Amino acid sequence: GQSLEQPSEVTAVEGAIVQINCTYQTSGFYGLSWYQQHDGGAPTFLSYNGLDGLEETGRFSSFLSRSDSYGYLLLQELQMKDSASYFCAVRGDSNYQLIWGAGTKLIIKP
Amino acid sequence: KAGVTQTPRYLIKTRGQQVTLSCSPISGHRSVSWYQQTPGQGLQFLFEYFSETQRNKGNFPGRFSGRQFSNSRSEMNVSTLELGDSALYLCASSSKGLAGGPGELFFGEGSRLTVL
Repeated sequence: GQSLEQPSEVTAVEGAIVQINCTYQTSGFYGLSWYQQHDGGAPTFLSYNGLDGLEETGRFSSFLSRSDSYGYLLLQELQMKDSASYFCAVRGDSNYQLIWGAGTKLIIKP
Repeated sequence: KAGVTQTPRYLIKTRGQQVTLSCSPISGHRSVSWYQQTPGQGLQFLFEYFSETQRNKGNFPGRFSGRQFSNSRSEMNVSTLELGDSALYLCASSSKGLAGGPGELFFGEGSRLTVL
């Protein structure tokens, strides 16, 4: 079957850097996306990787290695408002459906 | 620009009943996709509509159905509700659709369904 694996919870300190990993097993691959969801809120798009390498958007960066079926989201200069759940999603088949990880809850301590 | 609007935000039903949820996409977006979110399970894809046509369907039973109107508004229906259908139902709109490349999805805040 097709699946994405990401840690269920990560804890970090305000001002620090944290990395959230995502490994995938899918029949095909058409790109890896990251979304952020605050408690009670809607998921919001953060970044997309279609090719290997690093994509940077402000304090957030996302990396992809297709040969390793692996990606990560890097959050720098953590702020309390970054406390949220982070989901990776892969377009993994010819129907271009998005397959989602179960989410990583990021807890930030002062 | 108004965001994605879902109604109702909260609802409580009993087993065996049916429910209809509504989603109004961002103006100009022709793709609407629906997801079920339960704690610890991430988002499960239900279906996608583009220009009134269902383009993709996830692995859900036939009790789950949907449609899209000419103004791109979409509804999903769940018949013969079961306790396990309790979840947050999210819809997302995009300009390109799931088959159109990496176009980001814009989500509504969801309809939280509780089945008793």
